[in-house]
Amino acid sequence: DADVTQTPRNRITKTGKRIMLECSQTKGHDRMYWYRQDPGLGLRLIYYSFDVKDINKGEISDGYSVSRQAQAKFSLSLESAIPNQTALYFCATSERDILAGGRPREQFFGPGTRLTVL
Amino acid sequence: TQLLEQSPQFLSIQEGENLTVYCNSSSVFSSLQWYRQEPGEGPVLLVTVVTGGEVKKLKRLTFQFGDARKDSSLHITAAQPGDTGLYLCAGRVFRGSTLGRLYFGRGTQLTVWP
Repeated sequence: DADVTQTPRNRITKTGKRIMLECSQTKGHDRMYWYRQDPGLGLRLIYYSFDVKDINKGEISDGYSVSRQAQAKFSLSLESAIPNQTALYFCATSERDILAGGRPREQFFGPGTRLTVL
Repeated sequence: TQLLEQSPQFLSIQEGENLTVYCNSSSVFSSLQWYRQEPGEGPVLLVTVVTGGEVKKLKRLTFQFGDARKDSSLHITAAQPGDTGLYLCAGRVFRGSTLGRLYFGRGTQLTVWP
């Protein structure tokens, strides 16, 4: 079974609808992340959480919100979807660093959710 | 503003050829990672480099971190069709309250033809 799972894998919705993307992990990692990927733009960080009580904005958080319901679950919501939020969305997890500023831990990515907003 | 610039954006070569992908920045990074992503999947870590001038080898792949820790390269020897994928570099820079988050480049899409 996959360590990082995302649901749904594909979603088509209409402008103005509220959408929730869910991420679950069985790796026991404290840190979780949401990225979006657009052709030619690479991965851009939306939100990240270093533990259950910690939520931080990434570089493109406008129009998105998140909830860290438990260590293993991190969900991303689009309150009112718009067409330019059409993208591939990835959840990722990592362990906390051994030392601050030290070698970063590997990020483990889910399989992605392809979201289309019409 | 893109913190990490990757080049080339696309690379299409024949099996057996050598290639180099570059990741450059004007910022200093405490570390840099390379990931590979295949269609329909999330990125998977290939290597992490942390020391200026560090060279790491992974079979036919050679990764180098620049002496000034502002750039990195990935060299593939005798490319094979199985090397096809999107190669992403990701750097960690400490500034302000970002707590060492990763910044990704836009990626290099490599296609190796049989």
